[in-house]
Amino acid sequence: EVHLAESGGGLVQPGQSLRLSCATSGFTFGDYAISWFRQAPGKGLEWVGFIRSNVYGGGTTELAASVKGRFTMSRDDSKGIAYVQMNGLKSEDTAVYYCSDGTYGYWGQGTLVTVSS
Amino acid sequence: DIVMTQTPLSLSVTPGQPASISCKSSQSLLHKDATTFLYWYLQKPGQSPQLLIYNVSSRFFGVPERFSGSGSGTYFTLKISRAAADDAGVYYCMQGIDLPTFGQGTKVEIK
Repeated sequence: EVHLAESGGGLVQPGQSLRLSCATSGFTFGDYAISWFRQAPGKGLEWVGFIRSNVYGGGTTELAASVKGRFTMSRDDSKGIAYVQMNGLKSEDTAVYYCSDGTYGYWGQGTLVTVSS
Repeated sequence: DIVMTQTPLSLSVTPGQPASISCKSSQSLLHKDATTFLYWYLQKPGQSPQLLIYNVSSRFFGVPERFSGSGSGTYFTLKISRAAADDAGVYYCMQGIDLPTFGQGTKVEIK
């Protein structure tokens, strides 16, 4: 059974950093891209970025314009975990962050990031 | 960015009755490999989105047959043949041919 679980969320002040993790199981992690999405309170879904498979995509990343230059994505294929490093956090980054597999079919339960002074 | 526009933004459905949601994209979602990258999700309150339909009309694992998707190019429709109480939530369309973008969401109430 495919399973994804995000962790690492919390309350931080503007300008601070946070690293989210997406732990996976049930599929061949190295063969798939991992995408990150977010949902601000009471709002719709927004794509944040994805990291391609090392095998098929060189592990390259694409990021939404709203986070480019502040967020970076990485992956550890030996552990089946993907990461998003979020620097220079702003209040508008407050959201539940979800990871999804490369097919967009399986999502984690989400982790809440709150950026507030 | 590809803009996705959903209509209506809210819908009230009687149990057992059909329902339909439309989604229009600002560009064609047809890839050169003949796949059309259009997805439908349902997000129930307090839960993460769950995939219902991928590639316009393919039901994801475990999705009831009452859900169906259709369309091509830039215009797509999600239909519920007979709405059930469990179908309440917000429905989103998403395009995956380019960097993903979502429709605004359609809130469906079953009453």
